[in-house]
Amino acid sequence: QKEVEQDPGPLSVPEGAIVSLNCTYSNSAFQYFMWYRQYSRKGPELLMYTYSSGNKEDGRFTAQVDKSSKYISLFIRDSQPSDSATYLCAMTTYSSASKIIFGSGTRLSIRP
Amino acid sequence: SAVISQKPSRDICQRGTSLTIQCQVDSQVTMMFWYRQQPGQSLTLIATANQGSEATYESGFVIDKFPISRPNLTFSTLTVSNLSPEDSSIYLCSVWTSFYEQYFGPGTRLTVT
Repeated sequence: QKEVEQDPGPLSVPEGAIVSLNCTYSNSAFQYFMWYRQYSRKGPELLMYTYSSGNKEDGRFTAQVDKSSKYISLFIRDSQPSDSATYLCAMTTYSSASKIIFGSGTRLSIRP
Repeated sequence: SAVISQKPSRDICQRGTSLTIQCQVDSQVTMMFWYRQQPGQSLTLIATANQGSEATYESGFVIDKFPISRPNLTFSTLTVSNLSPEDSSIYLCSVWTSFYEQYFGPGTRLTVT
């Protein structure tokens, strides 16, 4: 079993829809959770990070962590065609912070 | 933040040869990382390269196959040696400027024929 599981998609939604991207994980020691966005032929860029459980909002993006269920989500409101990319979840522990474990990514397409 | 450039952006190499990938950062950073990203798979950490010390390799990656240099705080190279088709992948350089703040280069797309 992989430490981090992420549905690869592809996920296609119409412009303006709310998008939900999810990851599950098995290591209860993970404390820090990140979401990266990767456009085609580019490197990943950090979108958001959260610590422990709860929600964090940044503009149209909301990251949610449920440690009891070992489940994290990224919500995108009012989705735009420019949001079309691959989204990777990532997580790590405080004691091994540089050892970031990435999900395989979900490919998202926003239809105009 | 950090801006990272990589050279080459892509290459096609023959089996048995080697490819050296360069990574340049626009600011001094202590920790640099090399990742491999295969189609449909997670980013996999190859090694951590700190200036002034030998690189630390992850399980499944060895120095003979992936020698790394880190001559200063803004530059690193990764060589992929004795290439085989299984080495076809995207190789990414990354730096860590503070906790959670990890930046990636655009990647080098390697195809081995």
